[in-house]
Amino acid sequence: DAGVTQSPTHLIKTRGQHVTLRCSPISGHKSVSWYQQVLGQGPQFIFQYYEKEERGRGNFPDRFSARQFPNYSSELNVNALLLGDSALYLCASSFSGQVNEKLFFGSGTQLSVL
Amino acid sequence: GIQVEQSPPDLILQEGANSTLRCNFSDSVNNLQWFHQNPWGQLINLFYIPSGTKQNGRLSATTVATERYSLLYISSSQTTDSGVYFCAVASNFGNEKLTFGTGTRLTIIP
Repeated sequence: DAGVTQSPTHLIKTRGQHVTLRCSPISGHKSVSWYQQVLGQGPQFIFQYYEKEERGRGNFPDRFSARQFPNYSSELNVNALLLGDSALYLCASSFSGQVNEKLFFGSGTQLSVL
Repeated sequence: GIQVEQSPPDLILQEGANSTLRCNFSDSVNNLQWFHQNPWGQLINLFYIPSGTKQNGRLSATTVATERYSLLYISSSQTTDSGVYFCAVASNFGNEKLTFGTGTRLTIIP
């Protein structure tokens, strides 16, 4: 079975541009979460979605948005990119998004903003 | 929010040595996971261990929930064990948001 898949693996953008990152969860998993990992730090929670509804949001500006589709895949959108948005963006999936469930992570999308 | 501290921040060991990594957290948790992040960025699940003790080959982990800490033991280290080890927790209230520690960077020298 495939794990969590993310695309693209690498992306280079310039300041002010918009970016869309994609994630497909493990088959049978209905919850998707997004995390941002800046170099040298641990991942930070951005969003959680379950059954197309937002369940949680971290401390990120409104330039960050996400959505989940009927097939449980998800997109993370970032508008008006800043240099500080350069990071590894990780997607995680779980069966139902309950607090006591194991999360499985994808390999991430490395975003560089120039 | 919940705070997670990991120690030591860096660890350099000779191949074959044993190591203990520690994770302290500031509140009750319903979820605690240990991850190994490889050089390509992949977070690999090692243990889901909100309490108790588990073993998987050369790795084992213990969480003492009442004292708010967890330990990851690596025995007979191999060069492939190199990377960053993260502890991540979710508190008893709210959704499954994981709060990560700052990690322990382990380097195994041949």
